[in-house]
This record gives sequence, C-alpha cells and structure tokens, in this order.
Amino acid sequence: QVQLQESGPGLVKPSETLSLICSVSGGSISGFYWSWIRQSPRKGWEWIGYIYGSGGANYNPSLKNRVDISVDMSKNQLSLKLRSVTAADTAVYYCARLGSSGWVDNWGQGTLVTVSS
Amino acid sequence: EIVLTQSPGTLSLSPGERATLFCRASQTVSSSHLAWYQQKPGQPPRLLIYGASSRATGIPDRFSGSGSGTDFTLTISRLEPEDFAVYYCHQYANSPLTFGGGTKVETK
Repeated sequence: QVQLQESGPGLVKPSETLSLICSVSGGSISGFYWSWIRQSPRKGWEWIGYIYGSGGANYNPSLKNRVDISVDMSKNQLSLKLRSVTAADTAVYYCARLGSSGWVDNWGQGTLVTVSS
Repeated sequence: EIVLTQSPGTLSLSPGERATLFCRASQTVSSSHLAWYQQKPGQPPRLLIYGASSRATGIPDRFSGSGSGTDFTLTISRLEPEDFAVYYCHQYANSPLTFGGGTKVETK
C-alpha cells in the first residue's frame, strides 16, 4: 500500500517561501498524477495543483503566480514551493495521489503550516 | 470554477438511521466526475465514492452515491457509530478541482 508523508517547516514568516516535501513509499511516483491540496478553517478545501510524473504541472489560477510543484523521480518525492506567503496561506497541507480520472485515492497525513512573524 | 454547495450543514441522527447528504454543483459536472470523502478529526479524508456512484475499495455497501449533472447524493443506509464524521464532495471534471463545504453527521 502506497504511503505518503509530508515534511517541512511548521512556521513560515510572511513574504517568505513555504517549502514542503512529500515522500512516497510502497510504490513508484511514476505513472500517476500527484497533487497538493490544503485545508483551512477560513477557506475550507483548496486544490493547489497537480503534476504527472516529471511532466508539466497544472495549478489553481488563484495561486498560479506563486506556486511550483515538481517531482524528483530518483528520490520518489513530490515538492511544493509557495512564494510570498501571507497569513491567508496558513493551512494543513496534504499531498495526494490521484486516481485515473482525478479523484484522490491516497492522502498523506497532512502537515500544519502557520504563517506568522 | 465549479462551486459545490453541500446540504445540510449538519445532520443530527442516531445510529441505525438513514443519512442523506446532498451536493449541488454550480454547473454540470461532466462524466459524473464527482467523489465523496469522509473525514474524522485529526485525520486525512478517506475516499468513499468516485464516479458519483462507484464505491472505493473496502468501503461498506451501506454507503452509496447517486446523481448526475448538477445534483448528487450520498446515502448511508444505516448509520454505524464510526460513521459520525464530516463528509465532503469533490468535483474533478474541471480545473480548478473544487470541494464542497462539508456536511457534519453528528450523534443526536
């Protein structure tokens, strides 16, 4: 059974870059779509973007100018970078594997990131 | 962007009762690309239903999904104690992918 584990700083200062890694174990990262999704009490669920293998990524237009998602095949890892963060970016961030048509069939445990000085 | 509106916001029921949850989309969700998830406090969501009506692996048959177009339903035929949680619908037909605001099923 594939397992996903997010890691990264739990506290980021305003205007800095939020960087998270998702380590995938129990299966290969190739051949699947992978996504970052976040959840906050203020905004509920928000899809950030997805990527297929080492191909191009598709981002939420609301975040497109600030986000990068990439895959490291050699390490079986997915990464997220979100630039110029504000308090509105405070959320639990999940990495996720997408099923063949786009539903989420595997979720990481999630990691809380707080944006505060 | 497809906006998903879930109702009711909270459902107060007893174990053994039937739960009916609704998800309405602001525009047609093509190919019934709609999923339902269950989430308990401190945990990630769990996939219940995809393709509007297909149960995910290991999901009990008391969970069923139906609907098409803009109106979708999740039914729990007889609530078990472990079913009290928050339920979300999710459309993956159009980018950006979007989620509903959730329905909390609580013990009456």
